[in-house]
Amino acid sequence: SQTIHQWPATLVQPVGSPLSLECTVEGTSNPNLYWYRQAAGRGLQLLFYSVGIGQISSEVPQNLSASRPQDRQFILSSKKLLLSDSGFYLCAWSDPPQGKSYEQYFGPGTRLTVT
Amino acid sequence: GQSLEQPSEVTAVEGAIVQINCTYQTSGFYGLSWYQQHDGGAPTFLSYNALDGLEETGRFSSFLSRSDSYGYLLLQELQMKDSASYFCAVPSLSGAGSYQLTFGKGTKLSVIP
Repeated sequence: SQTIHQWPATLVQPVGSPLSLECTVEGTSNPNLYWYRQAAGRGLQLLFYSVGIGQISSEVPQNLSASRPQDRQFILSSKKLLLSDSGFYLCAWSDPPQGKSYEQYFGPGTRLTVT
Repeated sequence: GQSLEQPSEVTAVEGAIVQINCTYQTSGFYGLSWYQQHDGGAPTFLSYNALDGLEETGRFSSFLSRSDSYGYLLLQELQMKDSASYFCAVPSLSGAGSYQLTFGKGTKLSVIP
């Protein structure tokens, strides 16, 4: 069966510090990978998605970047955090296009507080 | 672009039936998904309707009317553990051939004794 891991679970960082959040998926090959952010009490905003190693698409201009160095690894980064980067960050995977890629499966999330 | 509208909050009594509606406006339509998210947790996939009609999975059912750009999630025999936020979402096809999901803002369901 497939599993998705995210770490850390919670993070408190000062403004201006760097960020690295990691997501890994097990039990599947060539998944589509996604990064979302969820503000408190709000819906999910898609930040980045990737259909393969080194292939990153960004949905909104922001202070963040993403990388996919391995097939089942997805990293979210920032060089200098802003207060507005606080939120709940969720990684998700789905089958590649020939599968049910409209079904997405989420990791446990990272709750980031920028102070 | 894509936009979805759903009520922000719904309250229902344990054992009752509740319907959460979702209307959407999309450029290109493939189907309607529903996700459940408990406080502090991650969203979990509930259902997907690509065609008109009702899909039943246990106590949960999902309905779609493509002509009305409307769908709903129906929860029967409500239990306290059903208290959660419910999101409708529509997939759109990216240039890379993968589906991206646009989520509604969510409906917070409170089940009371």
